[in-house]
Amino acid sequence: EVNLLQSGGGSVNPGGSLRLSCAASGFSFSDDWMNWVRQAPGKGLEWVGRIKSRSEGAAVEYSAPVKGRFIITRHDSEKTLYLQMNGLKTEDTATYYCTTEGCSGGTCYSTDAFDIWGQGALVTVAS
Amino acid sequence: SYVLTQPPSVSVAPGQTASITCGGNDIGTRSVHWYQQRPGQAPVLVVYDDTDRPSGIPKRFSGSNSGNTATLTIRRVEAGDEADYFCQVWHSTTAHWVFGGGTMLTVL
Repeated sequence: EVNLLQSGGGSVNPGGSLRLSCAASGFSFSDDWMNWVRQAPGKGLEWVGRIKSRSEGAAVEYSAPVKGRFIITRHDSEKTLYLQMNGLKTEDTATYYCTTEGCSGGTCYSTDAFDIWGQGALVTVAS
Repeated sequence: SYVLTQPPSVSVAPGQTASITCGGNDIGTRSVHWYQQRPGQAPVLVVYDDTDRPSGIPKRFSGSNSGNTATLTIRRVEAGDEADYFCQVWHSTTAHWVFGGGTMLTVL
């Protein structure tokens, strides 16, 4: 069964750091592009960033609000995706989801739809 | 930046058809994906590449995309379809994924 299991959420003071993890199972992972998406309480989905596969240089792209503060990495041998969040602000408070890009789970044939999602991890930034 | 506009809410009686729109400049030239999100759960892909359904998604769910509007249509709506729905496109100019603001579907 394909799955993304997230860990690492919690509460942190403004200016602090937190690292989220996302462990993959049931699919390749190393060939897959991975994304982070967040959702502030009661709000819509917001794309955070993505990392391409190692064969594509593991290139990373970030949304403007997090660029320069957040870092996305991947450890293919452990099938784990990471989101290192530094310089956290109150407006970063959200549930963070990891997700695959490109129908990695085999239920569709799109080159870029997000078909597998983690369960989400709540990050609260408050003093 | 590229903006996707969705109505905040849509209401429909059980058994009727719900249409949820997603407006964007020349969105018809882009590939649109749709996600369903029930309260407290992660999003689920329900339509991809404008019109296709992942396996396991009922045929009652369909999509279309033309001009400046993409539409998610849910026929024979059931109580279990009550959820938030989000559209999504890739904006190549900024190399960013963009989501619509979301539409809350209420089944009366």
